[in-house]
Amino acid sequence: DVKVTQSSRYLVKRTGEKVFLECVQDMDHENMFWYRQDPGLGLRLIYFSYDVKMKEKGDIPEGYSVSREKKERFSLILESASTNQTSMYLCASSGQPKNYEQYFGPGTRLTVT
Amino acid sequence: QKEVEQNSGPLSVPEGAIASLNCTYSDRGSQSFFWYRQYSGKSPELIMSIYSNGDKEDGRFTAQLNKASQYVSLLIRDSQPSDSATYLCAGASGGSYIPTFGRGTSLIVHP
Repeated sequence: DVKVTQSSRYLVKRTGEKVFLECVQDMDHENMFWYRQDPGLGLRLIYFSYDVKMKEKGDIPEGYSVSREKKERFSLILESASTNQTSMYLCASSGQPKNYEQYFGPGTRLTVT
Repeated sequence: QKEVEQNSGPLSVPEGAIASLNCTYSDRGSQSFFWYRQYSGKSPELIMSIYSNGDKEDGRFTAQLNKASQYVSLLIRDSQPSDSATYLCAGASGGSYIPTFGRGTSLIVHP
């Protein structure tokens, strides 16, 4: 079974703090993704990566950055957290031979106060 | 703009009935379709994939794809209260490996 883990289930941070969200997958997947999910807005893609050291902007990259130093690990960084970044953050991975089938981690519910 | 549309619901069905969840998509190039189940407060879980026209059955679940009508559906037979969740439809095309997700349909199965 594909397993995607995220570093925290719940996180509370203050405005202006730097926040690190980590995601690890154990299926040797090439592709990794970060989404945020908000009520009424659905899943929105923040960043994705097709390979180590590679990253691509998604639909809403502003205020975020990412790092992929190892194939199994994809980190999302909030450089200076703001209250409008309060959300559920979901990491997903996919790989050969079914690159379109995404498997999600449990999610991190981030609250910025 | 690629779009996947779903009725937000809630769709309410009695236990034991067939629940029918529907999805339409705008991108005629979409080749692959997926259904995810998401319980409240949890992350989406992939439950069905369908790549060709017709029906695909897996246990109590049947996915149906009609590319000519740009329509995907998920049937859940013998619905159980444990099936109560939000169901997300997604479609993908080309080589970007990024599905387009609908906003989901809330299903409530009442005893």
